Amino acid sequence: GQSLEQPSEVTAVEGAIVQINCTYQTSGFYGLSWYQQHDGGAPTFLSYNALDGLEETGRFSSFLSRSDSYGYLLLQELQMKDSASYFCAVSHGRNTDKLIFGTGTRLQVFP
Amino acid sequence: DAGVIQSPRHEVTEMGQEVTLRCKPISGHNSLFWYRQTMMRGLELLIYFNNNVPIDDSGMPEDRFSAKMPNASFSTLKIQPSEPRDSAVYFCASRDKYSYNEQFFGPGTRLTVL
Repeated sequence: GQSLEQPSEVTAVEGAIVQINCTYQTSGFYGLSWYQQHDGGAPTFLSYNALDGLEETGRFSSFLSRSDSYGYLLLQELQMKDSASYFCAVSHGRNTDKLIFGTGTRLQVFP
Repeated sequence: DAGVIQSPRHEVTEMGQEVTLRCKPISGHNSLFWYRQTMMRGLELLIYFNNNVPIDDSGMPEDRFSAKMPNASFSTLKIQPSEPRDSAVYFCASRDKYSYNEQFFGPGTRLTVL
């Protein structure tokens, strides 16, 4: 079977740092992606990790440990506009076009 | 670039009616994906195409669902007959073969089946 686990909800205040974890169990793994989705909006791509380690893009960083089947998204200097749902997604199987999405973590940022 | 275009944005129909959702991918993208999002089941891949050819339709829930991509700039997802449990937001996404896993999502179609 395939499963991706994320916390359902995380809260934080402006300016803080928050980490959203993702653990996965899939048959075949090529990489881990993160997407952001605001209420009523469409998912938008944030990052992709194919190799172990940390990828940094501005205030957002993403980490992957293939041996632990684990990754996280790190959001720094939180802003109100970061309130959204965040999904991890696994590139699955031989064909990396197919993504399996986690259930999402709802982040609420308070002033 | 206009991004991925979907129509209609909202659709309300009655059980048993045929529903057709439309998608125009970003020009030059060679992969197209149809997803369904509900609170209960999250974001599910229904089917995807590479170069207009269906590659994996294992996520299509049942025979009432069908998808076509007659050319590189247009795809449809059809539900016939529709049922209340089909109510969801349906997203279309496209991808450039050089952009790894960056899929570009359209605004979605919110379908309500009464």
